[in-house]
Amino acid sequence: ELKVEQNPLFLSMQEGKNYTIYCNYSTTSDRLYWYRQDPGKSLESLFVLLSNGAVKQEGRLMASLDTKARLSTLHITAAVHDLSATYFCAVDASNSGYALNFGKGTSLLVTP
Amino acid sequence: NAGVTQTPKFQVLKTGQSMTLQCAQDMNHNSMYWYRQDPGMGLRLIYYSASEGTTDKGEVPNGYNVSRLNKREFSLRLESAAPSQTSVYFCASSQGWGQTNYGYTFGSGTRLTVV
Repeated sequence: ELKVEQNPLFLSMQEGKNYTIYCNYSTTSDRLYWYRQDPGKSLESLFVLLSNGAVKQEGRLMASLDTKARLSTLHITAAVHDLSATYFCAVDASNSGYALNFGKGTSLLVTP
Repeated sequence: NAGVTQTPKFQVLKTGQSMTLQCAQDMNHNSMYWYRQDPGMGLRLIYYSASEGTTDKGEVPNGYNVSRLNKREFSLRLESAAPSQTSVYFCASSQGWGQTNYGYTFGSGTRLTVV
């Protein structure tokens, strides 16, 4: 059974601070996805990481993938309130039509 | 706009009633998926259709049935709704394995309450 674990599940941070969300998964996979979800909304794709060592950056968010360690990180730089949301990582699974398997999500609150 | 369209957006059912959630995509994607999202649980796969004409169970299929009507449409049916099926349901689609685009597109969701 494929497991995807995120930590922390809840994160409250001050504006201007840096922090990292971790995503561990239990299968060999070269593909890792990060999504953002605002309350009452659907999922918005942030990053698709397709190979070992992949690094992608968009604004204050940077994601990386280490397939050997089965670990992805989402690093937040100089947080601002607009980044408050729930962040999910996901891995696709070959035994279920490549459906995404999601972590439980990290609920991020950025406070002044 | 291209994407995944889900209907309805909101629904309240009484225990034992039945209903069908509709999902349609216009991106010519091969694969389609149904998820449910509950607080603190992330998204869990109910059923998937890897290609037109095929459907398979996911992690939490009990109490649900699906139909891949054609390449565009993938419906989810609750035959006898139970309070435990109160959730937000998301439909998603992707090009499927072997394609160069690994993007997954999600619908806006259906918020279902069973009383």
